[in-house]
Amino acid sequence: QLQLQESGPGLVKPSETLSLTCTVSGDSISSSSYYWGWIRQPPGKGLEWIGSIYYSGSTYYNPSLKSRVTISVDTSKNQFSLKLSSVTAADTAVYYCARLLLGSTRIDYWGQGTLVTVSS
Amino acid sequence: QSVLTQPPSASGTPGQRVSISCSGSRSNIGSNAVNWYQQLPGTAPKLLIYSNNQRPSGVPDRFSGSKSGTSASLAISGLQSEDEADYYCAAWDDSLNGPVFGGGTKLTVL
Repeated sequence: QLQLQESGPGLVKPSETLSLTCTVSGDSISSSSYYWGWIRQPPGKGLEWIGSIYYSGSTYYNPSLKSRVTISVDTSKNQFSLKLSSVTAADTAVYYCARLLLGSTRIDYWGQGTLVTVSS
Repeated sequence: QSVLTQPPSASGTPGQRVSISCSGSRSNIGSNAVNWYQQLPGTAPKLLIYSNNQRPSGVPDRFSGSKSGTSASLAISGLQSEDEADYYCAAWDDSLNGPVFGGGTKLTVL
């Protein structure tokens, strides 16, 4: 059974960089059929796609966040990571990592989510 | 402001049938499949419907999806108390080159 687990600091100061890692277990991150992505949900609000990465390293970012986002993959560790720079309170959210079917919004596996609060 | 438009709330009594709409445009719902997610309080979303009207294994047939033009709909028949959750539609957007979501509909079982 595939499992995804987010890890990283739960508190980040304004203007700093948010860094999260998603560890994939139960299957290889090098599967050719899937993207690996980050999705966030501010408290009490809806879902927002941040970006996705293919195992080869090809990345796809939400244009509204593109200037601040970097997603990378480490196939040797079966992990992928998110960096979001220059954070503000508006970036406070539950951050989910997920597996997306190529060219689709079909997400059959999600991490449990991790709350990241931006505050001084 | 979400790219896909959903009503913020819906409600029904046990046993009733309820429907949740999702409106988009030619670049998303009009061109691509719609998926639906159920999010129970404090948990990650769960895939409920994929490819407009397909149910993953384990999802009861009380849940059904449909799509017409640039709109989609999720129907829940025989409403149960455990169906009380937030429901999100999602579709690939060709302009964004990525997924877009609806703002979510909070379903209350009265």
